[in-house]
This record gives sequence, structure tokens and C-alpha cells, in this order.
Amino acid sequence: DTGVSQNPRHKITKRGQNVTFRCDPISEHNRLYWYRQTLGQGPEFLTYFQNEAQLEKSRLLSDRFSAERPKGSFSTLEIQRTEQGDSAMYLCASSRDRAYNEQFFGPGTRLTVL
Amino acid sequence: KNEVEQSPQNLTAQEGEFITINCSYSVGISALHWLQQHPGGGIVSLFMLSSGKKKHGRLIATINIQEKHSSLHITASHPRDSAVYICAVSGAGSEKLVFGKGMKLTVNP
Repeated sequence: DTGVSQNPRHKITKRGQNVTFRCDPISEHNRLYWYRQTLGQGPEFLTYFQNEAQLEKSRLLSDRFSAERPKGSFSTLEIQRTEQGDSAMYLCASSRDRAYNEQFFGPGTRLTVL
Repeated sequence: KNEVEQSPQNLTAQEGEFITINCSYSVGISALHWLQQHPGGGIVSLFMLSSGKKKHGRLIATINIQEKHSSLHITASHPRDSAVYICAVSGAGSEKLVFGKGMKLTVNP
């Protein structure tokens, strides 16, 4: 399978704990995006990378959130001191290195904060 | 007001019906995307368009840039078309997608 993969698929954690999610994009895609989706809503943009450079961050990405893409391949999204409001589906997408390209989505990581 | 509005929010149809899903946006865009999301979260891109009309199988997508409006049509609907259909736009000067809330379609046999 050469699509976008995300791990873990599900994560249950207690409030106050730190969690880290991983996204592996399609191998020849230089752009990588993180989105968050809560129940009954469309996804919301969090941040995006071109290669290893983080080019845009949403105001939704508070100081408890950090994303990296150290070698321009896989990316990690870390949430520190999780809150119940962080419970959501975290989606990763990737696209080729051309502007306004079709984005291919991973299956998502569903986070539940108790 | 959301930048991307979809209507209706829910739709139930009988197998074989012609279905139209509407999307309106309020910002300048470089492209509009139609996406399909099945239960469990997986999102699949159906169309990306910046003008005119595109067709793929039983799906047709149109966009009117002047009116800031797009429609997704499903001909001869089938129960396997049951999913959430999401409209999203790439704003001018930004590659991030801004999404509508989605429309839940249920096609009954």
C-alpha cells in the first residue's frame, strides 16, 4: 500500500498526558498537511509543511501543539497536557510539490481524552 | 458566517434518484475540492476544479466562479454512495483547505 498512513489509528489518554501521532505521506509528495475534525464538523486546518519547512500554522495550533517533519519525509504531531477539548480525529494529507494540488488523506488518528 | 457553506446538511434518497449537493463560498479561491468521507474517517478526493465541469463515472461536478457556487451531482444513486460529501476550497495565496461541514447522504435500496 503506497497511500498516506497514520499511527496509531486510535489513542485513548487521560487528561494532562502527552500524545504523539505519526504520519507517513506518499513517498514522492513534498507537501504534508495536518487537519483536525470534531464530530459533525468538517476538518479544520492545523499546519502544513513543504519538505521539512513548516510554512503555515493555524491559530488553532496552541502552544501545547507542535508538529515536525525533520527529514522532509514522515511528520509527527505532539499534543502536550491534553485536554478533553482535544478529543477529535487528526487527519494527515499529502500532495505533490506543486501549488494547489490534489491532497491525499490518511485514515486519521482518533484521539479520546478522558 | 462560515467561508464554505453546504446544503442540504442531510439527505435521504431512494436508489436510482438523481442527487444534487450544493456548495457556496465567500472567499476568492484557486480551486474547489469535492471529497467523500465514509464512516470511520477515511477521506477520498473526488474532484478538484477551478472552472467549468468535470465528470467521473456517475459523478459530475460544476463550478460557477462568478456566483461562487459549486454543485456535485450523482446520477443513478446507489446505496454504496451513502457517505458524507464535503466541499473544500483552496484560498487564493494559500494551499490549506477550508472545509464545509459536509452533507450526509443516505441512499436506501
